[in-house]
Amino acid sequence: AQTVTQSQPEMSVQEAETVTLSCTYDTSESDYYLFWYKQPPSRQMILVIRQEAYKQQNATENRFSVNFQKAAKSFSLKISDSQLGDAAMYFCAYRSATGNQFYFGTGTSLTVIP
Amino acid sequence: KAGVTQTPRYLIKTRGQQVTLSCSPISGHRSVSWYQQTPGQGLQFLFEYFSETQRNKGNFPGRFSGRQFSNSRSEMNVSTLELGDSALYLCASSLSASLSTDTQYFGPGTRLTVL
Repeated sequence: AQTVTQSQPEMSVQEAETVTLSCTYDTSESDYYLFWYKQPPSRQMILVIRQEAYKQQNATENRFSVNFQKAAKSFSLKISDSQLGDAAMYFCAYRSATGNQFYFGTGTSLTVIP
Repeated sequence: KAGVTQTPRYLIKTRGQQVTLSCSPISGHRSVSWYQQTPGQGLQFLFEYFSETQRNKGNFPGRFSGRQFSNSRSEMNVSTLELGDSALYLCASSLSASLSTDTQYFGPGTRLTVL
């Protein structure tokens, strides 16, 4: 089975600074999708960014970008110009291109320091 | 457009009881997935329904079941509750049949406490 590992249970960043959250995964598949989800204290899970494994170009959504290293099975999230509203639990997730099941990491709790 | 709604938001039950949770997807969405979130295990996939049919199931015992209605609303049932079933249960909906290319939108969750 696929596994997703987030080795940083907690991270903190100064407001306006940049932070990178790490994620590694294990799979024998060649085609899949990777996601970063954000879960603020209100508990509503929100999609931050997604990456298709067949695309070499790293996905970017405004202040959020990923560093996708397929050979290393690494998928890190970079948040630039951090804002107080970025404080949340961040989950990395994997989904096969053919399967219908998400595999989530255990999450990284991000604190933004004013 | 209204988001994914889940009812009830909070629930307290005792061991041995059964519980039913409800999820209304975003209008037009036909796929509904359920997840269990606990501090120790993180987010774990329960099952996914599309057009009233269960398409995929996670590694949970048969006490966990679900169904989907013709209007795409879904219910999840847990029978013979155990203390370890205490968790946040999240529902997510997506638009079409191709789950792997669709974005899932999550509801706020139902917090179940088993005493």
